[in-house]
Amino acid sequence: GAVVSQHPSWVICKSGTSVKIECRSLDFQATTMFWYRQFPKQSLMLMATSNEGSKATYEQGVEKDKFLINHASLTLSTLTVTSAHPEDSSFYICSARPTVLSGNTIYFGEGSWLTVV
Amino acid sequence: AQKVTQAQTEISVVEKEDVTLDCVYETRDTTYYLFWYKQPPSGELVFLIRRNSFDEQNEISGRYSWNFQKSTSSFNFTITASQVVDSAVYFCALSEASKIIQGAQKLVFGQGTRLTINP
Repeated sequence: GAVVSQHPSWVICKSGTSVKIECRSLDFQATTMFWYRQFPKQSLMLMATSNEGSKATYEQGVEKDKFLINHASLTLSTLTVTSAHPEDSSFYICSARPTVLSGNTIYFGEGSWLTVV
Repeated sequence: AQKVTQAQTEISVVEKEDVTLDCVYETRDTTYYLFWYKQPPSGELVFLIRRNSFDEQNEISGRYSWNFQKSTSSFNFTITASQVVDSAVYFCALSEASKIIQGAQKLVFGQGTRLTINP
């Protein structure tokens, strides 16, 4: 079945550095992907909508200059956390749905745990 | 505005007991979709069910069952004869048809219910 893969699963970075997280649809094309963030013991909150070939759409309160999203191909979206700070430590997860396949399932990546020290 | 409320933050039961997780939603759309996901400690989201607003039939899948009641805006999830492996955080989520982009659905999640099944 369709699979969405995220890389890396775990990343630790120093405060002030940038870190990139990839979301890849392995066997389907996805024009649109979504990025969510989940702080410890909290719910998942939508950060932004990633659109292939165009700018991402950010939810209110999410800094677009801090969380750079690039959806350069129909199978890959990347989220770059720039100048990361400890408060950015969170679980980041993406979702995608096949553009052309039928079916109702939304596929989520495995998620990426980011720790900023 | 769309909103999902899972009033039960944590539930703890003994194995083999039945347990129901509540989910109440708010939406102005007449067409919408409701989901349940399971999140084990590893973090990934495991899809359990998707239900559209026009289908109010209850569904049963093995030990899992779902009760969709539009009149009370609820979509409750029951686990029968619970097992230790059912321990996880369970999320109810809502997607409005008007917010579907290129077939992709933006989800609004509830706060989640942490379910612990004790042996």
